[in-house]
Amino acid sequence: DAKTTQPTSMDCAEGRAANLPCNHSTISGNEYVYWYRQIHSQGPQYIIHGLKNNETNEMASLIITEDRKSSTLILPHATLRDTAVYYCIVRVPFGNNDMRFGAGTRLTVKP
Amino acid sequence: EAQVTQNPRYLITVTGKKLTVTCSQNMNHEYMSWYRQDPGLGLRQIYYSMNVEVTDKGDVPEGYKVSRKEKRNFPLILESPSPNQTSLYFCASRTRPQETQYFGPGTRLLVL
Repeated sequence: DAKTTQPTSMDCAEGRAANLPCNHSTISGNEYVYWYRQIHSQGPQYIIHGLKNNETNEMASLIITEDRKSSTLILPHATLRDTAVYYCIVRVPFGNNDMRFGAGTRLTVKP
Repeated sequence: EAQVTQNPRYLITVTGKKLTVTCSQNMNHEYMSWYRQDPGLGLRQIYYSMNVEVTDKGDVPEGYKVSRKEKRNFPLILESPSPNQTSLYFCASRTRPQETQYFGPGTRLLVL
């Protein structure tokens, strides 16, 4: 699986958009980008994933650059409950390979 | 409601006393796995199972056993717990083909 690089921490004002970047410059053509988050020692929670097109669901939007070497997770209207560690993961689905969680980005939403 | 459950949620035990942490999912997922999470080390996979009676080691399997006799259950067994197994443990199951992974609420284990 390709390695990802994320900032260690970020702050965001409540009600504003939170934009979390992820670099995955060695991503291969069949690897997807997944985002999960973990709220204070709870089990990680799936947010969104994509291959090359931008994706949106009820939680967030995922913007993947055309060369696929980086992506941005967007929480459009961050709330205090969005304070969590956000993990960006790239991997090939369907295989035996594990979903490897790095250190992630600790997002703090402030009132 | 689709979910992964773990029991117990909290456990304090002593060195050498065998224990089992249960994990159950109600989503008919084939793939299940166990992780441990320690400060500064992130989530590390202990064991995983691709299907009933099919299990394999993850990154940190030493001191642990698992079994997969039924599709929905994947218990984690510590035959002789040691203090270095004090950790936060998560069970997870995975969908096909989208591969989105569902995690249980976690089991916090303290081995004295």
